[in-house]
This record gives sequence, C-alpha cells and structure tokens, in this order.
Amino acid sequence: DTGVSQDPRHKITKRGQNVTFRCDPISEHNRLYWYRQTLGQGPEFLTYFQNEAQLEKSRLLSDRFSAERPKGSFSTLEIQRTEQGDSAMYLCASSLTSGTYNEQFFGPGTRLTVL
Amino acid sequence: AQKITQTQPGMFVQEKEAVTLDCTYDTSDQSYGLFWYKQPSSGEMIFLIYQGSYDEQNATEGRYSLNFQKARKSANLVISASQLGDSAMYFCVPFHGGSQGNLIFGKGTKLSVKP
Repeated sequence: DTGVSQDPRHKITKRGQNVTFRCDPISEHNRLYWYRQTLGQGPEFLTYFQNEAQLEKSRLLSDRFSAERPKGSFSTLEIQRTEQGDSAMYLCASSLTSGTYNEQFFGPGTRLTVL
Repeated sequence: AQKITQTQPGMFVQEKEAVTLDCTYDTSDQSYGLFWYKQPSSGEMIFLIYQGSYDEQNATEGRYSLNFQKARKSANLVISASQLGDSAMYFCVPFHGGSQGNLIFGKGTKLSVKP
C-alpha cells in the first residue's frame, strides 16, 4: 500500500533561488491539497485540486507560488525567488470525495530551509 | 467560519494511563464533522478519528475515542492505555460538509507520555 509521497523530504536553498516540490497522492484519490506549516503552528491551507483543476487558492499563495496537477495525478509546488519567510514544512494531502468522511491523508512533508 | 479551541498547549501522561485532550469549537453549521490528527516529531500528519455532527454515538477507533458533546460544542479525544509512541502533537480539526474540504488547523496540543 503506497500512501502519499513527497519529494524531496528536505531542501536547503539560498534566498532568491527557485525550488520545486513534488507530491504523489494515493492513486485513486481525486483531490490533492497543499499546506504549509511553520514551527509551533498547525498547517495552513495553500491550495487544492480536484483532478487537474485548481479550485481554490489561499491568500497565503502569493504570486511567487504556483502549483500544478497536469494530469490529475501528481502535483508540483514551485516557489520562485525564495525568501527566508518561506522556510517551513510543506505538506501534501489527498482525499477521495466519495470516501467515508472525505478524510485527508497526508504525506511526510518537504522541509524547506531558505538561507 | 469555524473556530477551534484547544486550551491545553501541553499535556503530560504516565505510560499506560488514559488522557483526555480537550477541543471546543464554534460553528453555526448544522452539518459538520471533526477530525483528530496526530503529528509525531517526524512531521507526518496521521488521521486518527472522525466524528460527524449527526452521529448518535461517540466515535471510537482502537485506543482512541471521542467524548462528543454537541450541545456544549466539544469533542474531546480520549486516549486509553497511553504508549510512548503517543507522544506527539494532536490537532482537532473542524470540517464543514459543504466546504471545499480544506482543513483549518489550530495550534494543537502537545502530548508527552512519560515512562
């Protein structure tokens, strides 16, 4: 059984660089979510997809952030011109709209450190 | 909008004892649900249990059970027979059935199990 996977697990970058994260959801799940979690806080919603359509974006998702889910399977989250404030754990989750509770299953996260 | 309050930023429990993590919420919705998630230090968010607002019985899942008091708008998580591996952050997360599904997390409660 493969759960949600994320790659890379850790990323260290210099300020101003671009980074891209990948999320592979549970195979039959049609919804995919991105969250950001900073130290001492709960995760904050960034955006979500239903199949390949991006249906909602948070105000937290500035124009430096872009997410795609081109074929309705895996998703990528790109951050351009990274800033130190972008340092956080980026969590991906997936769910099935016809699931019992529409519960979201999370991946292990990608920890980003911007120097 | 829904608001969650977890009044215990940190809790300690002796191994093998039971512990209750408090959660109160504020919503005007008639139909809603509540998830509890666990986040160990590794970072992965783990779904534990779900309670629907129309469920007549308190949800149970193994050593986890909910003390759901709808009139008081509380959904406390009870962990029986605590284990060292239960040491983690715990988040009570509301879910409105008509929403797009993005979850709104609070700051959670940190549980430490002592040997």
